[in-house]
Amino acid sequence: GQNIDQPTEMTATEGAIVQINCTYQTSGFNGLFWYQQHAGEAPTFLSYNVLDGLEEKGRFSSFLSRSKGYSYLLLKELQMKDSASYLCAVRDGDYKLSFGAGTTVTVRA
Amino acid sequence: IAGITQAPTSQILAAGRRMTLRCTQDMRHNAMYWYRQDLGLGLRLIHYSNTAGTTGKGEVPDGYSVSRANTDDFPLTLASAVPSQTSVYFCASSARGAADTQYFGPGTRLTVL
Repeated sequence: GQNIDQPTEMTATEGAIVQINCTYQTSGFNGLFWYQQHAGEAPTFLSYNVLDGLEEKGRFSSFLSRSKGYSYLLLKELQMKDSASYLCAVRDGDYKLSFGAGTTVTVRA
Repeated sequence: IAGITQAPTSQILAAGRRMTLRCTQDMRHNAMYWYRQDLGLGLRLIHYSNTAGTTGKGEVPDGYSVSRANTDDFPLTLASAVPSQTSVYFCASSARGAADTQYFGPGTRLTVL
């Protein structure tokens, strides 16, 4: 099975940087995903890591260390619209995703 | 292109009633999934289907059944609803390629009284 941990809540100021950590213990690993979910809406895909290292996509970056069972999502130049829940998900060898409980990020003016 | 649609958007249901949540995708994705999302617990996989004609159990399958008669449709049935099945239900699909991103439908908010 999968055990995925991420902080429950984080607060940051508009224009700042926030780093959301995710640690996992898995019986099989076939990639790590980050999703964004605004209140009352569906999750939307942000990033995918399967090899160690940093993947950058505009203001968002995601890092993976497979040996440490660790990932983070970095949000730069925070905007009010970035207030949302961020979900860390690990894919097993059978293409199924297991999700963490999510981190609610609140951006303050 | 609509992507993934779910129906109904929300429903209030009496305990003991049968209910089918509908999910349709137009992306010709092979794999489809049903999740429930509860506060503090995140998304949990109920059932999945890797291809039309096959289904499998996820983390929390009890009380739910699915069928996959064709590529596009993946209905979820609650045979006899109980209050603990009150949740938001999301359907998702993926192509099962190397990156295999799952795309989610808008969700169904179900309340069982």
